Amino acid sequence: DAMVIQNPRYQVTQFGKPVTLSCSQTLNHNVMYWYQQKSSQAPKLLFHYYDKDFNNEADTPDNFQSRRPNTSFCFLDIRSPGLGDAAMYLCATSIKRAGRQETQYFGPGTRLLVL
Amino acid sequence: GQNIDQPTEMTATEGAIVQINCTYQTSGFNGLFWYQQHAGEAPTFLSYNVLDGLEEKGRFSSFLSRSKGYSYLLLKELQMKDSASYLCAVRSPYSGAGSYQLTFGKGTKLSVIP
Repeated sequence: DAMVIQNPRYQVTQFGKPVTLSCSQTLNHNVMYWYQQKSSQAPKLLFHYYDKDFNNEADTPDNFQSRRPNTSFCFLDIRSPGLGDAAMYLCATSIKRAGRQETQYFGPGTRLLVL
Repeated sequence: GQNIDQPTEMTATEGAIVQINCTYQTSGFNGLFWYQQHAGEAPTFLSYNVLDGLEEKGRFSSFLSRSKGYSYLLLKELQMKDSASYLCAVRSPYSGAGSYQLTFGKGTKLSVIP
């Protein structure tokens, strides 16, 4: 089945220790998104890739970076995690093409805990 | 700016009908989505409206009025498994060279009781 996969589902890291979250998709979608969602809050868009073009949200901290080495994979790098970065990180994909609905499909998320 | 309002919590009885409202004020509009999110899981797509009116999909229907900045999600024949958060999200054109962006509401936590 075509899907969005995130690994790991749970990630524990130490304060200040770099961590990488991964996302892969078999949908062949050309857009990939990273969201941060804290408890009882709305998912907040961090950035997205449209093909190889990186689009950062204005209020995304510099501590958050992303890489998309190919169509299928996208990574979220947190350079120096703080306690406030503990959250669920959601990867989503969509296909941007004329006439398409462009629904975003989400992966299962990675829950990050910072000790 | 982007502002999306939904009730925080609702409770309804199994077998009943419930309506979850969403109002929005956004800079740019290109469609409204409803997602279901069970606790600790990712949002899953429920419905999409871009034109005014009602879209029906099984037990779920969604309505949009663009002039009023208003949408609702209607759930019929409620089941216990419908207990979840329901997120309203507005799509707007991206200001840069990227794709569209979704702005989510905080979600309405629905509890279905026997």
